[in-house]
Formats: sequence, structure tokens, C-alpha cells
Amino acid sequence: EAGVVQSPRYKIIEKKQPVAFWCNPISGHNTLYWYLQNLGQGPELLIRYENEEAVDDSQLPKDRFSAERLKGVDSTLKIQPAELGDSAVYLCASSLGLAGEETQYFGPGTRLLVL
Amino acid sequence: SQQGEEDPQALSIQEGENATMNCSYKTSINNLQWYRQNSGRGLVHLILIRSNEREKHSGRLRVTLDTSKKSSSLLITASRAADTASYFCATDRDQGGKLIFGQGTELSVKP
Repeated sequence: EAGVVQSPRYKIIEKKQPVAFWCNPISGHNTLYWYLQNLGQGPELLIRYENEEAVDDSQLPKDRFSAERLKGVDSTLKIQPAELGDSAVYLCASSLGLAGEETQYFGPGTRLLVL
Repeated sequence: SQQGEEDPQALSIQEGENATMNCSYKTSINNLQWYRQNSGRGLVHLILIRSNEREKHSGRLRVTLDTSKKSSSLLITASRAADTASYFCATDRDQGGKLIFGQGTELSVKP
């Protein structure tokens, strides 16, 4: 069974440019998460989807970040415009979204460097 | 904001020794999970322990949970060089909702 797929794996952009990350969760997983991980820190949740509905986006900086999960499968996370402080690893995770099945499965992440 | 505080931040041991990592948290939880992250890779789920459980085993891993002290520990027995990684605890307050991670323990196992 394929795991969570993310692309690109690495991205280097100049500040003020837009950037987008893509995530394909494990087949059948209803819940999808985007996390931000700074160097030497644990991941922090940006947004959580239940199917196509964003049920927790309280940590998403909405002035420059946006996300969508059309059809409740793939998801994209966009930053426009990027700032130097956005340099980090962006992790996508998915889970079944059922009671008793709380394990989250993570993708390899996209490492973003903003110059 | 990160709920978990992990101790120690870094741990270096010899192959064959046991490694113990501790995690403390602040609020009530539904479950606590431990994840491993190899350098430059995604996180891999290791073990989940629910708030009504006190101890759980998986292979060479042993996790304990003390909800009265709001703390958990992860023990890796007979460590191997391949166990070198960062280990994170994460708390789930709402059963499958938001995971709040600690800052991690960086484990180095020397052959």
C-alpha cells in the first residue's frame, strides 16, 4: 500500500514569490493534516480536513496561507507571498478518521527555503 | 504552541544499552503517541497509549503513561545504531483531532 505522497520534496524560492505544495493521502483516509516543522522543533498543525471540510484551521496564517482539498482526496497548501520566516518543512499526514483509529501517517515532507 | 516537553533534548548511548525518553504535558488527553523521525524524513508512528492505559509494549519499545503526573516515558531496550533518530511525543485531546507535539529527543546510538 502506498504511503502519503508529497511533492515537491524540495523547493527554493525568493521572498514574495508564491509556492504550492501537494499531498496525496493514503487511499481511504478521510482525515488530512498539514503541519509545519521548524528546525529542531516538533510539527505544529496548520489545518485539518475531514473529507473536503476544513474543521480546524485556527493555526493557519490566513493572510498568506491557503489550502484546499477538492473532492476530499488530494490537497494543496499555498503560500502567497512567501516570507523568509516560512522556511521550514511542510508535512502532510492522513488518518482513517474513525474512533479508535487515531494513528496519523506522515509523508516525507516538502523542505522549503525562502531566500 | 507545543504542549509536550521532552527530556532529555539529546541522548547519546552505546549500542546494546537502553534508552529512556520522557514527555510531560499540560492538559487532559485522550491518548498519547510516540513518533520517530530520521534525519530529513517524515515521522513514523511507533506506539499509541490511551488515557486509561498505564503501560504498553511493542517489540523493544515500552511506553508508560501516568495521567496523574501528566507524563509518559518511552523505553527502547537493547538499542541499535538504526535507532538513531529524533523521537517525539504527541498528545491527542479529542480522539483523532489535533496532535500537539513536543520538541523531541535526539537519540544517537553509537556502534
